[in-house]
Amino acid sequence: KQEVTQIPAALSVPEGENLVLNCSFTDSAIYNLQWFRQDPGKGLTSLLLIQSSQREQTSGRLNASLDKSSGRSTLYIAASQPGDSATYLCAVSPDSNYQLIWGAGTKLIIKP
Amino acid sequence: DAGVIQSPRHEVTEMGQEVTLRCKPISGHNSLFWYRQTMMRGLELLIYFNNNVPIDDSGMPEDRFSAKMPNASFSTLKIQPSEPRDSAVYFCASSFPGTSGPFQETQYFGPGTRLLVL
Repeated sequence: KQEVTQIPAALSVPEGENLVLNCSFTDSAIYNLQWFRQDPGKGLTSLLLIQSSQREQTSGRLNASLDKSSGRSTLYIAASQPGDSATYLCAVSPDSNYQLIWGAGTKLIIKP
Repeated sequence: DAGVIQSPRHEVTEMGQEVTLRCKPISGHNSLFWYRQTMMRGLELLIYFNNNVPIDDSGMPEDRFSAKMPNASFSTLKIQPSEPRDSAVYFCASSFPGTSGPFQETQYFGPGTRLLVL
């Protein structure tokens, strides 16, 4: 059974720092992995989607990597800003016809 | 596009009452998903539709929950009768047609309906 873990549950860093959020999964047979952002009281916004054949995806200051063999993905945020404060969730799709398996998220606080 | 639209945004009701949540997916999307989010259980998929047809409702917790999608631009999630343990945030999401399957593509989430059952 696929399980997705995000550690730490919360992270607080000063503005301007580069940081890494972690996501691990127990079964390397995945179809894709997605990173989402959730702001308080709002829905989820998709940040990056990495297909199983890809190693990384980039969008602006965000870079997500995928290492299936080790069951890990990282979300790298460069030059963090207070506006980056949110909860970041990763989700794995074991198959294109199977629902996403969600991590519990990492709550990120960027201190001005 | 306005994105996925959900209504109401907040709902407070008493135990035993019927609750209806509404969703308008993004135009052109053919997959629609209903999720529930709680602190204890995180995000849970309740049901998803493909081309207006319910494909997997195994996540619907009980017979008190039902969902419909009468057309490509509208879906409802109904709880009857509601119970305090149904209190949660309910999200609707939609995605473009994928060549392989509904979970191949990025899902676009609505703002959610925060439900409180007293």
